[in-house]
Amino acid sequence: DAGVIQSPRHEVTEMGQEVTLRCKPISGHNSLFWYRQTMMRGLELLIYFNNNVPIDDSGMPEDRFSAKMPNASFSTLKIQPSEPRDSAVYFCASSLLGGGAGELFFGEGSRLTVL
Amino acid sequence: DAKTTQPNSMESNEEEPVHLPCNHSTISGTDYIHWYRQLPSQGPEYVIHGLTSNVNNRMASLAIAEDRKSSTLILHRATLRDAAVYYCILGGNSGGSNYKLTFGKGTLLTVNP
Repeated sequence: DAGVIQSPRHEVTEMGQEVTLRCKPISGHNSLFWYRQTMMRGLELLIYFNNNVPIDDSGMPEDRFSAKMPNASFSTLKIQPSEPRDSAVYFCASSLLGGGAGELFFGEGSRLTVL
Repeated sequence: DAKTTQPNSMESNEEEPVHLPCNHSTISGTDYIHWYRQLPSQGPEYVIHGLTSNVNNRMASLAIAEDRKSSTLILHRATLRDAAVYYCILGGNSGGSNYKLTFGKGTLLTVNP
C-alpha cells in the first residue's frame, strides 16, 4: 500500500493567495483527519471526517479555512486568503477505526510558507 | 480531554533499552493509551497502544500500571533511527470523542552512538 499521499510537499505563496492542500487516504479507511503542526502550538487537529462527512471541525481556525471530502479517496484543505501565520506543516491522516481505538496513518505532510 | 505528562527530553545510548514514562492520572475507564513517534521531517508514526494489559509488538513494548494512571514505552535496544519525539496520548470513548487523539509536546529522545 502506498500509504497516505499528500500534495504538494512544499508550497510557498504570498499573503492573500489561495492555497489548496490535497490528501489521498489509504484505501478502505473511513476516517480522515487534517492536523497542523507549528513550533508554538505543536500538532493540532483541524477537522475530522467519517465516511466522507465532516464530524468535527471545531479545530478549524477561522472561516478562511475550509475542508472537503468529495469521495472516499480524496480530501482538500483550502485556505483563502492565506496569511503568514498560516505557515505550518499540514498533515493528513487516515484510520480504519478512528483515532481513539485504532491506528492513525499519517502522510508526510505539506509544508506551507506564506510570505 | 484527559491529559498526559511526559518528560521533555531523555537520552539513551545505542543498543541499550529505553524506558519512556507517561503519567495519565485522569484517565477514564474507556481510554486507550497510544504512543506515536515523529522522526525529524516526517509525519507521526504509530508505535503501540493498549487498554489494560501490557502489549508487545515488533517496535516496542507498552507496560501499563495496574491502576492505569501511568505507562511506560519500552524500546528494547535503541538504535540511532529511534531518535524522535515520542507522544503518549489518551484516546477512546471519553465523552463520545472516540476519534480524537490530542497530541501534547512529547518526549524528545536522543540516542547517542
